[in-house]
Amino acid sequence: DQQVKQNSPSLSVQEGRISILNCDYTNSMFDYFLWYKKYPAEGPTFLISISSIKDKNEDGRFTVFLNKSAKHLSLHIVPSQPGDSAVYFCAASVPGYGQNFVFGPGTRLSVLP
Amino acid sequence: DAGVTQSPTHLIKTRGQQVTLRCSPISGHKSVSWYQQVLGQGPQFIFQYYEKEERGRGNFPDRFSARQFPNYSSELNVNALLLGDSALYLCASSLGLTGGLNYGYTFGSGTRLTVV
Repeated sequence: DQQVKQNSPSLSVQEGRISILNCDYTNSMFDYFLWYKKYPAEGPTFLISISSIKDKNEDGRFTVFLNKSAKHLSLHIVPSQPGDSAVYFCAASVPGYGQNFVFGPGTRLSVLP
Repeated sequence: DAGVTQSPTHLIKTRGQQVTLRCSPISGHKSVSWYQQVLGQGPQFIFQYYEKEERGRGNFPDRFSARQFPNYSSELNVNALLLGDSALYLCASSLGLTGGLNYGYTFGSGTRLTVV
């Protein structure tokens, strides 16, 4: 049973346009959410996060939106660049005495020049 | 500054064998977590260690074990290997028990384990 879902396995976007990556979750107890980017042969790289008490967080070209009632978050990349081509993972933090993340299956973004 | 380093980068094992994977966290980081990433899926949490104590365990069989040493490096052991254990094993470190909102964890590049 997937608690974090990324229903689009892949996405292609033209350079300079907006990329929108979506993520849905089922567990209302998740306390915050992160996006990671992964290039081949490298580990995931932290991109941006958002607390469950906020609905938006922005960092340069990257903005994450959280809709708690819909249990949905999205990552917007504006403008998209060819170097953004990678696999993007949505992850949710499980509250508890430590910290671990539940990851979605990822979306492969291709930014076309 | 060295990031999270994992060794070996690749290895091939036979079913039934045992394997030990190693992770050195970023200097000063006291928390190490292990994740398994099967092809086509996202990473799945295996263990978290902080200050040499286990602080979290994912839904993995007892064949999987780990430990953290006084220098905060960590080993992941998998016994009685199965074909399904073939995956990329990722180690992540953070300064404290939690990564923090604006920080997250820092992942290593992983160890690619192939079981034949």
